[in-house]
Amino acid sequence: GAVVSQHPSRVICKSGTSVKIECRSLDFQATTMFWYRQFPKQSLMLMATSNEGSKATYEQGVEKDKFLINHASLTLSTLTVTSAHPEDSSFYICSARGRDYGTSMGYNEQFFGPGTRLTVL
Amino acid sequence: RKEVEQDPGPFNVPEGATVAFNCTYSNSASQSFFWYRQDCRKEPKLLMSVYSSGNEDGRFTAQLNRASQYISLLIRDSKLSDSATYLCVVNRRGGSQGNLIFGKGTKLSVKP
Repeated sequence: GAVVSQHPSRVICKSGTSVKIECRSLDFQATTMFWYRQFPKQSLMLMATSNEGSKATYEQGVEKDKFLINHASLTLSTLTVTSAHPEDSSFYICSARGRDYGTSMGYNEQFFGPGTRLTVL
Repeated sequence: RKEVEQDPGPFNVPEGATVAFNCTYSNSASQSFFWYRQDCRKEPKLLMSVYSSGNEDGRFTAQLNRASQYISLLIRDSKLSDSATYLCVVNRRGGSQGNLIFGKGTKLSVKP
């Protein structure tokens, strides 16, 4: 159990276009989904946290109007990179957390999707 | 200072070697600690949680020192398949409501 999928796995687009990335929890209900970005040889950086049915909470320095997040259901969240530019080229990874996957430490584990590699030309 | 700092690496070791990774965190309120493994161009995967008493999973041993805000991972009898980047991860606000803060990772390369 606890499988998270992302689509597409790779996308190449022209500068100025918008790209939508989907994140799905396949076998559990994700009350919270997270979006991360990872540049080469850098750590994963949390971009935003979204709870189903409410607005996403963005981390400092992340433009909410550029990175649109929708978490319309308990199994799907989308990230839209609007008017993408070459500096947005990165590895975008989502993770999902559900109610039922707690550990003995009281922490609900996050399950990561396989990531989407975005290249903006 | 970064919230989570790790050995810069890379670590190049022969098969069978023992290798240790260190990590420090700055937020003393952090309550949950983890080691993740990330293969090249893949998503991170949970390797093990880290408990205050220290814990072991096969060849892997994790330790936590809250007073020093220090976490370690020891890998014994390294295998070629252990080659990956190891990420030290801390739960920022503690408990089930917190978010994960990732270290930059330490790359391990195990050679035949």
